[in-house]
Amino acid sequence: EAGVAQSPRYKIIEKRQSVAFWCNPISGHATLYWYQQILGQGPKLLIQFQNNGVVDDSQLPKDRFSAERLKGVDSTLKIQPAKLEDSAVYLCASSLTGHYQETQYFGPGTRLLVL
Amino acid sequence: AQTVTQSQPEMSVQEAETVTLSCTYDTSESNYYLFWYKQPPSRQMILVIRQEAYKQQNATENRFSVNFQKAAKSFSLKISDSQLGDTAMYFCAFTSGTYKYIFGTGTRLKVLA
Repeated sequence: EAGVAQSPRYKIIEKRQSVAFWCNPISGHATLYWYQQILGQGPKLLIQFQNNGVVDDSQLPKDRFSAERLKGVDSTLKIQPAKLEDSAVYLCASSLTGHYQETQYFGPGTRLLVL
Repeated sequence: AQTVTQSQPEMSVQEAETVTLSCTYDTSESNYYLFWYKQPPSRQMILVIRQEAYKQQNATENRFSVNFQKAAKSFSLKISDSQLGDTAMYFCAFTSGTYKYIFGTGTRLKVLA
């Protein structure tokens, strides 16, 4: 079974530029999560999708971050414009139904450096 | 607010020995799940073990076991017969019907040959 795929693996941009990350969850998984993991901290949930609808985006900085999951499969997370403090690893995860007891399966992450 | 605290930023253990990683949490929820996830260097995070709050019996998975003390809100992970492949960041996480995954800051474990 293929795991969660993410691209790119690394990205370096200047502040005020825009960047987009892509995630392909495990086939059949209804729920998709985006996390931000700043160095030295645990992952912080940014947004949760159930199929193509948003379940929770309470911690997503909506003035600069946006995310979509068209057709309920792949997802993209965008930052525009980027700030220095956005430097982090962006993790995508998926789970079968989204019940809180379920295991989440994580992708390898995209490491973003904003200069 | 729900919080998860891992007070040990780094630990090391000799190969074949036993090590315990600590995690405490704060919640007013009655039912919830606790998890330990492992993040090896440059590899993706994977689930190690899971515990439901209503279950009194401590979860075990091969060499990994937990000591769940609900009243003390403590959830420690014990790794027996440590192997070099156990070297990783370990994250404790809390989730409930109300609160999505909340992760601790992690403990970096190094297994020494």
